[in-house]
Amino acid sequence: ETGVTQSPTHLIKTRGQQVTLRCSSQSGHNTVSWYQQALGQGPQFIFQYYREEENGRGNFPPRFSGLQFPNYSSELNVNALELDDSALYLCASRHSAGGSEQYFGPGTRLTVT
Amino acid sequence: EDQVTQSPEALRLQEGESSSLNCSYTVSGLRGLFWYRQDPGKGPEFLFTLYSAGEEKEKERLKATLTKKESFLHITAPKPEDSATYLCAVKSPGANNLFFGTGTRLTVIP
Repeated sequence: ETGVTQSPTHLIKTRGQQVTLRCSSQSGHNTVSWYQQALGQGPQFIFQYYREEENGRGNFPPRFSGLQFPNYSSELNVNALELDDSALYLCASRHSAGGSEQYFGPGTRLTVT
Repeated sequence: EDQVTQSPEALRLQEGESSSLNCSYTVSGLRGLFWYRQDPGKGPEFLFTLYSAGEEKEKERLKATLTKKESFLHITAPKPEDSATYLCAVKSPGANNLFFGTGTRLTVIP
């Protein structure tokens, strides 16, 4: 158990809609990253938050946005959903004073129809 | 640009048949090479971090090694419960993220 939880487990949305995915990190883990994992692929970095500010972003458009809250929870928001957004979305956390390893949650499976 | 290539894509082993998975990487100034295990539909589970060439780490039937160009995950006498996808990732200087390969899907047959 990593202590990282995500909700919901599964979600089905229609193209053009908006979605919010949630993550709760371990206490003290003040760095959270979000990844997108398409079927048969490795996770791809979306962005990272540290102390409630975005401090790194991968090759994803601005319709992917996030928030981090003081209670170690965070959100990933995706606007104007496209079919290619169907994937497993993973949240990973670490303590900034710890090692570089990230601890992943179980993921949210998003299907866009 | 960082690159991570894992081979083979898929591997089937008989229970007890030892083997190795390969992770070749290209990154300037490696700041860590990471191995994760992922079961279907679940999040990756952290296994090892290696930082410098020559480093080795072990956990139960798994042993990870690192050279300047690649890492190996050795599986000794695997059991069916070792069946999973094994992911390799690297961290480069100044990056906040891990850069993942596409994984090796391991199946251990009883």
